[in-house]
This record gives sequence, C-alpha cells and structure tokens, in this order.
Amino acid sequence: SSELTQDPAVSVALGQTVRITCQGDSLRNFYTNWYQQKPGQAPILVIYDEGNKRSSGIPDRFSGSRSGNTASLTITGAQAEDEADYYCNSRDSTGNHVVFGGGTKLTVL
Amino acid sequence: QVQLVESGGGEVQPGGSLRLSCAASGFTFSSYAMHWVRQAPGKGLEWVAGIWYDASNKYHADSVKGRFTISRDNSKNKLSLQMNGLRAEDTAVYYCARDWGMIIEGALDIWGQGTMVTVSS
Repeated sequence: SSELTQDPAVSVALGQTVRITCQGDSLRNFYTNWYQQKPGQAPILVIYDEGNKRSSGIPDRFSGSRSGNTASLTITGAQAEDEADYYCNSRDSTGNHVVFGGGTKLTVL
Repeated sequence: QVQLVESGGGEVQPGGSLRLSCAASGFTFSSYAMHWVRQAPGKGLEWVAGIWYDASNKYHADSVKGRFTISRDNSKNKLSLQMNGLRAEDTAVYYCARDWGMIIEGALDIWGQGTMVTVSS
C-alpha cells in the first residue's frame, strides 16, 4: 500500500508530551519525515532520516521514531507555538513516488 | 540565502494550460532532486511530481500523469511544471520543494512560498 494514515486531530495541554502517529506499509522500507505547517505558511521539514535528524532551528523537544509500520513524532513539553498541522511523508512501494499522510491538526490547550 | 521562488500561477478555464516555474538560489541546484507538491484549499499536501538532479528520471502522481510534466534546466537553476488539461480539482497552491538527496529520497528540506492555481469557468 502507498497510503499513510494520520489521526486528523490531536490535542495536548501546554507543557505536556504528545505523540503524533503515521501508519503505512511503506514505512517498513523507507524513511519517514515530518513537516510542520502553520496557517498561511509553507511546510517546514522538522524531522527526517527516520527520526535521526532534526532540521536546523528545530527545538530538541521534537523527536521521531518508528516501530514496524508506524512512525511517531513526539513533542516533549509542547509549547503554544507548536500548534500547527503536522504531516508525515515517505516513499511509496516503488520508491520512486513520494506520499504524504493526511495531516494531523495539533491543538495546544 | 537558500531560496525557492515560484511563479506562473493564475486563473485558467477547465481544459486550459499553465506553466509554473521555480527559481532556485543560494545552493547548487544541479546537486538535488526537486519536487512539486500541491495543497488544495483547506486540504492536505499532495505530491505532484519529482525529478532527479540530472533530469535523467522524472515521476508523476497518478492524478496528473499524462497531463502534467516536470522538467528542469540546471544551467538556469530553474524547475518547471507544464500543466495541460487542467481540471477544477487541480485548484491548489503549488509548492516547489528541494529533496535532500540527488535522487528522490522524500525528505523535502526547502520549500518555496507557493503559487496559486485556480481552475474555474
């Protein structure tokens, strides 16, 4: 399958930890990447290389991991500025196409 | 600084054509794969097409295959998307994005600000 499934919405209390998940068969074979998008802005790459790398300027409260066909983006100590849409992506089963999850809207309460 | 700037968006009638361009600066354009990604109003991100660093391989999403063509001119640091047979469902903001690899790896580390394409009669 080339689909990546994300929960449409997740909420977290300020300062607490939240995990955003992404499920898909292709994640077993290809790295998962995570993007943050705020309203009216282009997406920003947050985590890539299967959680091994954070983009420049991204706080270390953001981390990534994978278990089987499920990848996770964890925000440890969520801040108000983390409220955004988060998308996972990877490659499809051929390795030649890129696929995105449907996105998760994170609300920080 | 590293920058991608899209242009060419606008309003077009169903069945019409548009050509989007993306001007790259601040990095060695010829060393990276490039992509087009779109986002319909209020919707999520959808990958449209990708091309290897040397243009030797290019790939298109099934939703645009046969209608859209990605290309690049490394001598001009420019990425293009030729869009023919446009449909209402192609209405979206179109982003140009850099892959962190020379071939398609999928980690899009630099994005442009996007250009809006509206298909309407």
